[in-house]
Amino acid sequence: GAGVSQSPSNKVTEKGKDVELRCDPISGHTALYWYRQRLGQGLEFLIYFQGNSAPDKSGLPSDRFSAERTGESVSTLTIQRTQQEDSAVYLCAGGRSLQETQYFGPGTRLLVL
Amino acid sequence: EDQVTQSPEALRLQEGESSSLNCSYTVSGLRGLFWYRQDPGKGPEFLFTLYSAGEEKEKERLKATLTKKESFLHITAPKPEDSATYLCAVQAPGNQFYFGTGTSLTVIP
Repeated sequence: GAGVSQSPSNKVTEKGKDVELRCDPISGHTALYWYRQRLGQGLEFLIYFQGNSAPDKSGLPSDRFSAERTGESVSTLTIQRTQQEDSAVYLCAGGRSLQETQYFGPGTRLLVL
Repeated sequence: EDQVTQSPEALRLQEGESSSLNCSYTVSGLRGLFWYRQDPGKGPEFLFTLYSAGEEKEKERLKATLTKKESFLHITAPKPEDSATYLCAVQAPGNQFYFGTGTSLTVIP
């Protein structure tokens, strides 16, 4: 496709369950960022990947959060043992490099009951 | 510690009433300042990137400017379709991005 896609678009889960969120960036975009957007708040940086370099995980809020990306393809964000405070929209964005414009996906809306 | 502060939080304008949105930042070694538009239920849509003080960018009714401490997004003669939340983000030397909480703009016909 022409844009960044994310799946699922919506996810409702029970507290304590694990969830996996997926991001398909635009082909050729080597940089990929994950953000969390809580209701009424700004985007919160979580992690970024740049090509095959080690990711910058400095924004991950706890060890329950992890993300993977193989090469320049799909990325997955995993949240283990979900808590209610994890409820948010999770956005991914890609770019041709870390210094260039980021193109966002539509987000995954996560609700933890 | 707030890295990026946007004001006002919300702004209501009559169609054709020009105004400005503010983004102030405290990040040192700024690599770039970005403006995005976000419509409800959608991801942010890129508008502008500014890299150095004094730089200006324009697109239709929007004009972004940058100083060493802040950026302004000027909206000239807005239309109802300009209604959205406008987000400002700064890129730090480590390549992390820090976003403000946005300005929710409503343009009334």
